[in-house]
Amino acid sequence: DAGVIQSPRHEVTEMGQEVTLRCKPISGHDYLFWYRQTMMRGLELLIYFNNNVPIDDSGMPEDRFSAKMPNASFSTLKIQPSEPRDSAVYFCASSSSGRPQETQYFGPGTRLLVL
Amino acid sequence: QKEVEQNSGPLSVPEGAIASLNCTYSDRVSQSFFWYRQYSGKSPELIMSIYSNGDKEDGRFTAQLNKASQYVSLLIRDSQPSDSATYLCAVNRDSSASKIIFGSGTRLSIRP
Repeated sequence: DAGVIQSPRHEVTEMGQEVTLRCKPISGHDYLFWYRQTMMRGLELLIYFNNNVPIDDSGMPEDRFSAKMPNASFSTLKIQPSEPRDSAVYFCASSSSGRPQETQYFGPGTRLLVL
Repeated sequence: QKEVEQNSGPLSVPEGAIASLNCTYSDRVSQSFFWYRQYSGKSPELIMSIYSNGDKEDGRFTAQLNKASQYVSLLIRDSQPSDSATYLCAVNRDSSASKIIFGSGTRLSIRP
C-alpha cells in the first residue's frame, strides 16, 4: 500500500495568493483528517470527513480556509487568500473507522511558506 | 489549561538508560490514549495506544495510564540513538470518537 499521499510536498507562495493542498487517503479508509502543525501551536485538527462528508470543521481557523472531499480517494484544503501566519506543515491522515482505538495514518505533509 | 500537556524538553538520556515521558490531560471522560513518534521533518507515527488503567508493554516500550490522576506516560527501555525524536501524546474523548487532541510533544535526545 502506498500510504497517504499528499501534494505538493513544498509550497512557497506570496501573501494573497490561493493555495490548494491535495490528499489521497489509503484505499478503503472511510475517515480523512486535515491537521496543521506549527512550533507555536503544535499539531491541530482542522477538519475531518467520514465517507466524504465533513463531520467536524471546528478547527478551521477562519473563512479563508475550506476543505472538500469530492470522492473517497481525494480531498483538498484550500486557503484563499493566504497570509504569512498560515505558514505551517499541513498533514492529511486517514483511518479505516471512527472507533476511538483506530490508528490514524499520516501522510508526509505539505510544508507551506507564505511570504 | 491545555487539554493535553507535555513537557517540551529537550529530555536528554544516555544510551541504554530508560527514557520516561509524561503527559497529563484535562478531560476526565477521555477514553483512548496514544503515543506518536515524530522524527524531525517527518510525519507522526503511532507507536503505542492504551485504553485501560495500568501498564501495556510492546517491546522496549511501556505505556502507563492512570485515569484517576489523568496521567499517561511512556517508558522506553534500553534507549537507542534511533529513539531520538519528538514524542506526541494524544487523547481521544468518547464524545467525538474520531477526534484526537495532541499535546505539543516532548523532544527526546539519546546521547551515545
